[in-house]
Amino acid sequence: GIQVEQSPPDLILQEGANSTLRCNFSDSVNNLQWFHQNPWGQLINLFYIPSGTKQNGRLSATTVATERYSLLYISSSQTTDSGVYFCAVGNDMRFGAGTRLTVKP
Amino acid sequence: GAVVSQHPSWVICKSGTSVKIECRSLDFQATTMFWYRQFPKQSLMLMATSNEGSKATYEQGVEKDKFLINHASLTLSTLTVTSAHPEDSSFYICSASPKGQGYYGYTFGSGTRLTVV
Repeated sequence: GIQVEQSPPDLILQEGANSTLRCNFSDSVNNLQWFHQNPWGQLINLFYIPSGTKQNGRLSATTVATERYSLLYISSSQTTDSGVYFCAVGNDMRFGAGTRLTVKP
Repeated sequence: GAVVSQHPSWVICKSGTSVKIECRSLDFQATTMFWYRQFPKQSLMLMATSNEGSKATYEQGVEKDKFLINHASLTLSTLTVTSAHPEDSSFYICSASPKGQGYYGYTFGSGTRLTVV
């Protein structure tokens, strides 16, 4: 099956800093999503982005399907951005291991 | 739109009993739903694909007799953990896609935290 790798596994930022999270996948896909898992376990859908670039406020994402990677950008980070960020790919939604983000005040 | 409701949110059961978890698509039809399990500080692991009107497809290593999946309608899939044991304690979460119905991507339920004592 398709392999999904996320980096970095952990990221600690000072409030206001910018960050880039990466998702590499082993095969071409027609579905890719970024999620934020809150402390209660709820998966919040951030982007549906099998290709191209999207922006939503301080967050943006880019997927280069031909090179099999996607990037999630967080600008001007806030403490409420803390949590685990997952990418999931493919028709059966395989998840990467996630990036645990901690934003310190 | 594209809401998936999962119930219950948390459940505690005694070892040896069975627990049923429901996953409903509230405003769309879902011919396929997915069931995941997540252990603390780990990622979501796909357990099985639930197909309306047919048998579920289980991932390698998942016991189909222990995790019974029924997808009897286009809006409801259930996961029953049979003869639960403490090692089955985990966070279970379902997802569905309203593709072709005006939405894209997958929507997830809020999850069920199962504790077996």
